[in-house]
Amino acid sequence: GAGVSQSPSNKVTEKGKDVELRCDPISGHTALYWYRQSLGQGLEFLIYFQGNSAPDKSGLPSDRFSAERTGGSVSTLTIQRTQQEDSAVYLCASTRDTNTGELFFGEGSRLTVL
Amino acid sequence: QKEVEQDPGPLSVPEGAIVSLNCTYSNSAFQYFMWYRQYSRKGPELLMYTYSSGNKEDGRFTAQVDKSSKYISLFIRDSQPSDSATYLCAMSKGGSYIPTFGRGTSLIVHP
Repeated sequence: GAGVSQSPSNKVTEKGKDVELRCDPISGHTALYWYRQSLGQGLEFLIYFQGNSAPDKSGLPSDRFSAERTGGSVSTLTIQRTQQEDSAVYLCASTRDTNTGELFFGEGSRLTVL
Repeated sequence: QKEVEQDPGPLSVPEGAIVSLNCTYSNSAFQYFMWYRQYSRKGPELLMYTYSSGNKEDGRFTAQVDKSSKYISLFIRDSQPSDSATYLCAMSKGGSYIPTFGRGTSLIVHP
């Protein structure tokens, strides 16, 4: 497909386990974002990748969260030792032009930590 | 206080009504203003984008920015049941490529 692809679409895990969420951006989009959306909350910025530059990690809520982007394309968000408060929808977005604010979002990965 | 405030609603209106959705913000550095629409269990999609103050119209949608009041609005004319969704405002500062989002307002348009 031509859109942003995220997997898994749903993940249920036990507290303390590690999880990996994957994002495949639109081909040719150099900028990639991860946001988190909790129930009734807006989108909380987590991390931003732009080309080969160092990522902006200023939104990561704790050192249990990390992300990487390999080859300027696919990105993986890893949450270690998951906590119940990590339950949320994790949204990935990409764009070719960061000036317009037009981010193209995937459908998200819904994480539930029991 | 959050940088961007948005009433979560829900806002329920009859089909054909004019809808007004609003956000306020506290940071005067915001220069780029956006409205996204998010259907249930989908990712947000960009509806409108404006730079600085003024109005922008696109079909049934009008975006308005009042920087002096730190207030932005989205108007939907002749609302349709298919407009039922959550509407998120977003804004970013000059030189920053990371939009800050509001909580979103849930809109329900009933036939």
